[in-house]
Amino acid sequence: ELKVEQNPLFLSMQEGKNYTIYCNYSTTSDRLYWYRQDPGKSLESLFVLLSNGAVKQEGRLMASLDTKARLSTLHITAAVHDLSATYFCAVGYNNAGNMLTFGGGTRLMVKP
Amino acid sequence: NAGVMQNPRHLVRRRGQEARLRCSPMKGHSHVYWYRQLPEEGLKFMVYLQKENIIDESGMPKERFSAEFPKEGPSILRIQQVVRGDSAAYFCASSPATTDTQYFGPGTRLTVL
Repeated sequence: ELKVEQNPLFLSMQEGKNYTIYCNYSTTSDRLYWYRQDPGKSLESLFVLLSNGAVKQEGRLMASLDTKARLSTLHITAAVHDLSATYFCAVGYNNAGNMLTFGGGTRLMVKP
Repeated sequence: NAGVMQNPRHLVRRRGQEARLRCSPMKGHSHVYWYRQLPEEGLKFMVYLQKENIIDESGMPKERFSAEFPKEGPSILRIQQVVRGDSAAYFCASSPATTDTQYFGPGTRLTVL
């Protein structure tokens, strides 16, 4: 059974600081996704990582994938309050489809 | 291009009633996934459908839950004889192909009294 673990589960940080969220998964997969969810809202797609060594950046967020270590990271640079949200990583599995197994989420709070 | 649409957004049912949740995928998307999110938790896969076919329902409880995606019309997730433990947010996602990014709808928040 595929397991996906994120850490930390909760992160409180000051504006302007850097931090990294980690996503470990238990079974080989070459499809990893990062989503953002605001309270009471749906999930917004941030990044899709499809190969070992993939790195993608959008604004203050950068995601990377190491399939050998079964690890993805989401790095936050110079955090701003607008980044406050819950971030989920999800791993695709099963060749017959792309069912996603989600991590437990990292609740990020950026303080002014 | 309208996004994934779900209705109703909020649904209140009493124990023993039926809940019917609808999902219209994005235009051009033929793959639909249903997920359930309990409070303060990640999403859990329930069922994967293509038009007129259930491809994988391994995440769906064997009893009381069913899903369909007819040739015409939205995908439906149906929960019979709801219990309090069914209270959750139910999200539908669609994609144009198997390995493409899934786009999520706004969710239906089901409350069972």
